[in-house]
Amino acid sequence: KAGVTQTPRYLIKTRGQQVTLSCSPISGHRSVSWYQQTPGQGLQFLFEYFSETQRNKGNFPGRFSGRQFSNSRSEMNVSTLELGDSALYLCASSESLSGNTIYFGEGSWLTVV
Amino acid sequence: GQNIDQPTEMTATEGAIVQINCTYQTSGFNGLFWYQQHAGEAPTFLSYNVLDGLEEKGRFSSFLSRSKGYSYLLLKELQMKDSASYLCALRGGADGLTFGKGTHLIIQP
Repeated sequence: KAGVTQTPRYLIKTRGQQVTLSCSPISGHRSVSWYQQTPGQGLQFLFEYFSETQRNKGNFPGRFSGRQFSNSRSEMNVSTLELGDSALYLCASSESLSGNTIYFGEGSWLTVV
Repeated sequence: GQNIDQPTEMTATEGAIVQINCTYQTSGFNGLFWYQQHAGEAPTFLSYNVLDGLEEKGRFSSFLSRSKGYSYLLLKELQMKDSASYLCALRGGADGLTFGKGTHLIIQP
């Protein structure tokens, strides 16, 4: 069974640009959540999707958005990039919103210059 | 909100046992997770505790006491590959997972 797949793995963007990251959950998993990891702040929750609907949202500005498709695949978008957005963005999937096993993908390393 | 505290760094010897503590303050949560993360890699699921008590899984065990706001991860028969960061996380209602800053575990020969 394939794990959580994230693309792209590495990318460099310029301030002011926007970026879209993609996540394919484990087959059969319907809940997808996104996290930002930085050395200073650690892992922080961005948002969670289930059945194409955003169920929970962390404390991030509106520049961060996401969506989920009918096949459970998810994308997140960051607009008007800032230097501070440089981070590892991790996607996680679980069978349901209350699933007791949550698996992470390898992440997308975003560098903003 | 939720606040989670873990020691920043710990050192242990190969073959020994180490206990990584996690204390938290929260108004309520559904369960507590432990993850292992090697540098540059994704967090790997280790355990999930809902009820008080000890959950054992091979060389790894996790304990939860809701009344004391305390959990620990116990690693036995330490191996060099256990050198990693260990993350404690609470599953709340509408906040996804709230993570501690992680404990960097160094295993020495």
